[in-house]
Amino acid sequence: AQSVTQLDSHVSVSEGTPVLLRCNYSSSYSPSLFWYVQHPNKGLQLLLKYTSAATLVKGINVFEAEFKKSETSFHLTKPSAHMSDAAEYFCVVTWRSGGYQKVTFGTGTKLQVIP
Amino acid sequence: NAGVTQTPKFQVLKTGQSMTLQCAQDMNHEYMSWYRQDPGMGLRLIHYSVGAGITDQGEVPNGYNVSRSTTEDFPLRLLSAAPSQTSVYFCASREPGTGSDEQYFGPGTRLTVT
Repeated sequence: AQSVTQLDSHVSVSEGTPVLLRCNYSSSYSPSLFWYVQHPNKGLQLLLKYTSAATLVKGINVFEAEFKKSETSFHLTKPSAHMSDAAEYFCVVTWRSGGYQKVTFGTGTKLQVIP
Repeated sequence: NAGVTQTPKFQVLKTGQSMTLQCAQDMNHEYMSWYRQDPGMGLRLIHYSVGAGITDQGEVPNGYNVSRSTTEDFPLRLLSAAPSQTSVYFCASREPGTGSDEQYFGPGTRLTVT
């Protein structure tokens, strides 16, 4: 079975300091990996995605993630947190099975940014 | 393009009542899905459809029905609401085979069952 584990349910950083949100995945197939962001009372927005091209993926708002197959990780980083980054972040893995695409969401990491 | 739209935004039901959550997309996407979001559990797939006339169960299908008569619409029906179905529901669509696999989400429906 495919799975994704977000190692921290809550992360708190000070404004201007780096952000690290951790995600590990388990997949028997070649996965596609995504990070989505959800601001309070809003829908989900795609931040970035890995689909077997470059292992370092750049997304919106200066977020990046690096796909490390040896560590089965896809951690999300940002050099300097901004107040507007306060939101919940979801790591997502997709794969193909039986001709259809399957998807699994992580349980989410809430990012708090302290002024 | 409006993208993915959902109605209503909020709904309160009594136990045993039925209702339909509406979802529509104007991007001509073949794949559509329904998720529920509960605190600490991420999004869980309820039902999905890979095209008009084709639906299948996801991770948590019990208590929900779906149909897909057109490419644009994918309604979710609660036949007899239960308090355990209190949640935020998201509809999503995607176009397969584009190499993207990105899902587009609606704004959500917040459902409370008393």
